[in-house]
Amino acid sequence: GESVGLHLPTLSVQEGDNSIINCAYSNSASDYFIWYKQESGKGPQFIIDIRSNMDKRQGQRVTVLLNKTVKHLSLQIAATQPGDSAVYFCAEKRNNAGNMLTFGGGTRLMVKP
Amino acid sequence: DTAVSQTPKYLVTQMGNDKSIKCEQNLGHDTMYWYKQDSKKFLKIMFSYNNKELIINETVPNRFSPKSPDKAHLNLHINSLELGDSAVYFCASSLIAGGGEQFFGPGTRLTVL
Repeated sequence: GESVGLHLPTLSVQEGDNSIINCAYSNSASDYFIWYKQESGKGPQFIIDIRSNMDKRQGQRVTVLLNKTVKHLSLQIAATQPGDSAVYFCAEKRNNAGNMLTFGGGTRLMVKP
Repeated sequence: DTAVSQTPKYLVTQMGNDKSIKCEQNLGHDTMYWYKQDSKKFLKIMFSYNNKELIINETVPNRFSPKSPDKAHLNLHINSLELGDSAVYFCASSLIAGGGEQFFGPGTRLTVL
């Protein structure tokens, strides 16, 4: 399934399926992007990052894809597990804004057993 | 061995009161941050300190005053609390200013009545 990370939409997937969470960013000067996972009652936790000179980066069960042409970022989770249920945020580092992180609106991922 | 800790975890108070939230990190990081997360999960940076010096202040009302006694601590004091201050406040730290991987604390849920 797919979802756009604005206004906390919810993506519901079956356990074992692949998940795709999308994020649109606005600043073409952003050169670094990160995905965070936030479980209920906890702080955001780093998942994976990617620099603007790359199109794809893979981690353990996760892949981040970056399309600079359309300013789009996606997080793919393979073989989604119940423990993946959380809110996922993309964040961008804008070099023209003091190198601070700007977070997107988040997407809630719900994994059905 | 908590990396970033915050106290208290929950804070319920009346409008007009003054309150403080404390944050400590034992990661040896140079940079610490305060974020505010609203009821829609939108996460916005408030302040960033690097080696005890303020480097980011994102147009936060001056009722909010961060204090960094040393680079391992960044406390947040809020004067004259308002209903709109109700949110979850997260402290975070990173090795360097603007460093992508920020480590977040567990959050402090502030409720203003």
